[in-house]
Amino acid sequence: NAGVTQTPKFRILKIGQSMTLQCTQDMNHNYMYWYRQDPGMGLKLIYYSVGAGITDKGEVPNGYNVSRSTTEDFPLRLELAAPSQTSVYFCASRAGTGEETQYFGPGTRLLVL
Amino acid sequence: GEDVEQSLFLSVREGDSSVINCTYTDSSSTYLYWYKQEPGAGLQLLTYIFSNMDMKQDQRLTVLLNKKDKHLSLRIADTQTGDSAIYFCAETFPGGGYNKLIFGAGTRLAVHP
Repeated sequence: NAGVTQTPKFRILKIGQSMTLQCTQDMNHNYMYWYRQDPGMGLKLIYYSVGAGITDKGEVPNGYNVSRSTTEDFPLRLELAAPSQTSVYFCASRAGTGEETQYFGPGTRLLVL
Repeated sequence: GEDVEQSLFLSVREGDSSVINCTYTDSSSTYLYWYKQEPGAGLQLLTYIFSNMDMKQDQRLTVLLNKKDKHLSLRIADTQTGDSAIYFCAETFPGGGYNKLIFGAGTRLAVHP
């Protein structure tokens, strides 16, 4: 298993541009999460999904959108990039009820200028 | 409220033991985790402890949980240069249809010869 994979690894955006951060897991996990990590801080939850077709907001959802059309994929969309969205973005997955551990991808570093 | 606090920096000599401390506020947490993040990499699950346990040992790692004081610690025996990384404490508890994972800001462990 590759586990949780994310693309791209690094991206520079101009203010107002849009992009999609990709996340894929091959563990057949039901739950998937998007976090952001700002310098010197812990991770904050942006959005999560409990299964295909079901998504919901986390702590810091403003400026982002997600979709979950398949079990494997959970893309994160930035529509109008702002400097405040400069961060490292991590995707994670969890098997489901009774299995609490989340497994993380390697992250996407985003710089908005 | 939900809050996880860690000291930001720890420096140890190679071969010594490292102890990284964490305090949390929510007594309803079910699992407590230690994640390791090496430079430029994602979060790697090191170990976890269920909230009804006091101690867990896994090779060089020992986790101690003091529920009364809401204090969690990670001891790394015979610390090596490869242990240099940021260590995140996190707590999780069920709520709102997903297991919410709250992270501390991370402790940067520096191992010197």
